[in-house]
Amino acid sequence: EAQVTQNPRYLITVTGKKLTVTCSQNMNHEYMSWYRQDPGLGLRQIYYSMNVEVTDKGDVPEGYKVSRKEKRNFPLILESPSPNQTSLYFCASSKGLASNEQFFGPGTRLTVL
Amino acid sequence: GQQVMQIPQYQHVQEGEDFTTYCNSSTTLSNIQWYKQRPGGHPVFLIQLVKSGEVKKQKRLTFQFGEAKKNSSLHITATQTTDVGTYFCAVPLTNDYKLSFGAGTTVTVRA
Repeated sequence: EAQVTQNPRYLITVTGKKLTVTCSQNMNHEYMSWYRQDPGLGLRQIYYSMNVEVTDKGDVPEGYKVSRKEKRNFPLILESPSPNQTSLYFCASSKGLASNEQFFGPGTRLTVL
Repeated sequence: GQQVMQIPQYQHVQEGEDFTTYCNSSTTLSNIQWYKQRPGGHPVFLIQLVKSGEVKKQKRLTFQFGEAKKNSSLHITATQTTDVGTYFCAVPLTNDYKLSFGAGTTVTVRA
């Protein structure tokens, strides 16, 4: 089954404790990206990757890091989480670039205390 | 920041009625996508519009791209409880590398 998986689905952590949210797709997609969703703000792009070893900042990259060492995986790293990073996070992938159909993961709800 | 303004933010609809949600941009768009997110779920792709004035239909949903390619609309006919959710438009930016979503229209249905 073609899908995007994210782990963990739920996470409660404390300020400053490094964490990683994993994202994996099995569709051989070139384009992957991370979004955060906050009430009234829709989906805001954090980082995107056009292919292996090629990443760039989205609209809200501060406080986040990413890597793309393999085509299927695109982890999101929060080196020192803060309460304003409490949000619902989605990973997405697509064939080619941003204008193609995006396939979203199930989401990760993160709470930073 | 967001490149498209989406209105209304909320839409409360009586079952059986029609409604429309709009996305507006100040710049000409290469294309626009529409997604639906059910409560507690993730966004799911509905359609992509590319051509000026394009109209596409999916059962009770009608999608339109403006002649100037600066706005788009989603019209739902005879709303059902299954239409509940948030509808987003999304536009590619920066040579097709970035994707910018509208704030979404959250639809609730009164039976």
